[in-house]
Amino acid sequence: DAKTTQPPSMDCAEGRAANLPCNHSTISGNEYVYWYRQIHSQGPQYIIHGLKNNETNEMASLIITEDRKSSTLILPHATLRDTAVYYCIVSTNTGNQFYFGTGTSLTVIP
Amino acid sequence: GAVVSQHPSWVICKSGTSVKIECRSLDFQATTMFWYRQFPKQSLMLMATSNEGSKATYEQGVEKDKFLINHASLTLSTLTVTSAHPEDSSFYICSAPESGAQTEAFFGQGTRLTVV
Repeated sequence: DAKTTQPPSMDCAEGRAANLPCNHSTISGNEYVYWYRQIHSQGPQYIIHGLKNNETNEMASLIITEDRKSSTLILPHATLRDTAVYYCIVSTNTGNQFYFGTGTSLTVIP
Repeated sequence: GAVVSQHPSWVICKSGTSVKIECRSLDFQATTMFWYRQFPKQSLMLMATSNEGSKATYEQGVEKDKFLINHASLTLSTLTVTSAHPEDSSFYICSAPESGAQTEAFFGQGTRLTVV
């Protein structure tokens, strides 16, 4: 069963930062936080993952609270191509099976 | 990143027939692959774990005799929907982690199955 809670939808102006929250209050010590996104009718695309430290890559930044009960995915300069459903998932192993929640449908507005 | 490819991308079949969907890891080996199903406007639902050289592990509520999974090699897993019915129409997606490597799971592009 999914262990995360996300808002169902969000809007963001093009060029602005998109901050997508995720609640995972029951996360275990050995569970990672993963973020994927799915553009309509495509397979999910990996964005970023982390255990407890904040992470940054070319796509996004991941901010994990100190108690690890929540996290925020930040897309620093949203573009129209970032419109997608974003999934936050917790899982024990990299590459493990994932139990997806309902995700957040992000719409980037021109 | 590594590439996972599914074939076909879409398929239409008649009710009562069987359909096979392939999932290949193109540039890495995967001892484990995962199959998901996604209905319109819903999230992905894990169906089963495909294990190379052994039986697949099915999630609760997924009929193993209806959804046959074969993982014959380190780069190929197949999902066969047997005696398909319209309610089996869905988007089927596979994923694979690279064996022995600490990487994320890579997803295929998905297969749209329509049963008429």
